Amino acid sequence: KNQVEQSPQSLIILEGKNCTLQCNYTVSPFSNLRWYKQDTGRGPVSLTIMTFSENTKSNGRYTATLDADTKQSSLHITASQLSDSASYICVVSALGGANNLFFGTGTRLTVIP
Amino acid sequence: NAGVTQTPKFQVLKTGQSMTLQCAQDMNHNSMYWYRQDPGMGLRLIYYSASEGTTDKGEVPNGYNVSRLNKREFSLRLESAAPSQTSVYFCASKDRARVGQPQHFGDGTRLSIL
Repeated sequence: KNQVEQSPQSLIILEGKNCTLQCNYTVSPFSNLRWYKQDTGRGPVSLTIMTFSENTKSNGRYTATLDADTKQSSLHITASQLSDSASYICVVSALGGANNLFFGTGTRLTVIP
Repeated sequence: NAGVTQTPKFQVLKTGQSMTLQCAQDMNHNSMYWYRQDPGMGLRLIYYSASEGTTDKGEVPNGYNVSRLNKREFSLRLESAAPSQTSVYFCASKDRARVGQPQHFGDGTRLSIL
């Protein structure tokens, strides 16, 4: 069964600290993995996309990693800011078909001053 | 840059009432999607339209209908609302012709069914 699991469910960190969010998946055949940021009351916005051949990609203070062998991805946030408070959703795309996206339930990150 | 626009932003209905959620995108995307988001659950696909003139069921289509009015607009209709349909509904669009493009989401419609 194609599934995407994220951990932790929620996380509270102090402003300026780093954190890492995890995503494990069983989706097959794998096409790509994308991390979205969803601010409260808003729709998700894409942060990064990882394909099979990529094992790390950065977008500012966000760095995503992918281990396609173990089917794990992580999102590392460096020097957190209050504006990083949001839900982070891992979405895995399977090859083929028009309905091929599998969503994690998200990690709720709260950055406190 | 409007992107994906959803209306209304909030709505309260009584059980059995009907309503249509509107979605429009100005990015000339060919594919459009309707999701619902419930606490503790990931986004679940209700219906999607791969291209103008086509619609297909997603994971949770029961109780909903859709219309792809034109390339820009994709509406979701609840014919007889039920409390189980209380949720946040997101519309998304995507350019399927370009590999690796993300879905672009609207800001959601928060729907409560009493």
